[in-house]
Amino acid sequence: DQQVKQNSPSLSVQEGRISILNCDYTNSMFDYFLWYKKYPAEGPTFLISISSIKDKNEDGRFTVFLNKSAKHLSLHIVPSQPGDSAVYFCAASVRGTYKYIFGTGTRLKVLA
Amino acid sequence: KAGVTQTPRYLIKTRGQQVTLSCSPISGHRSVSWYQQTPGQGLQFLFEYFSETQRNKGNFPGRFSGRQFSNSRSEMNVSTLELGDSALYLCASSLDPSSSYNEQFFGPGTRLTVL
Repeated sequence: DQQVKQNSPSLSVQEGRISILNCDYTNSMFDYFLWYKKYPAEGPTFLISISSIKDKNEDGRFTVFLNKSAKHLSLHIVPSQPGDSAVYFCAASVRGTYKYIFGTGTRLKVLA
Repeated sequence: KAGVTQTPRYLIKTRGQQVTLSCSPISGHRSVSWYQQTPGQGLQFLFEYFSETQRNKGNFPGRFSGRQFSNSRSEMNVSTLELGDSALYLCASSLDPSSSYNEQFFGPGTRLTVL
């Protein structure tokens, strides 16, 4: 049972435009959410996180939005750059379970 | 500060064999988690260790096991390898996800191919 879903396997965006990556979850107990970026032949790299007490968190070009009622989070990248081309994973956790559940990833391609 | 290191980076085994993968966490990190990544499945949680104790495990058969040493280094073992075990195995370390919200830092992974 896939508790964290990324329904778009791929996304293409023009350089300079906004990239929006989406993630849905089913477990209402999740209270911490993260986004990771992964390049080929490397491990995932942490990007940004948000706890369930917030609905928005920003870090430079990256903003994560959390909609708890819809059990939905999204990652906005503005402006998108060719170096952002990678696979993006969202992940969720319940505090105290020591376990992170990952989505299947969305491959972002930023076109120059 | 050195990152998470995993050895070996690549491994080729045949069905029925067993394999041991190693992970050295970032200095000071006491929690180590293992994940299996296969195409289309994302990262599947295998288990998490803290202070040599397994605190949680995912839905994998008993052929998958792990341990953590007193210096926080961790190993995972897969016995009686099957073709479907071919995957990228990722190790991640964090300070301690129980005390506050902590992100995990990943190693580069070990690519296991089972023939």
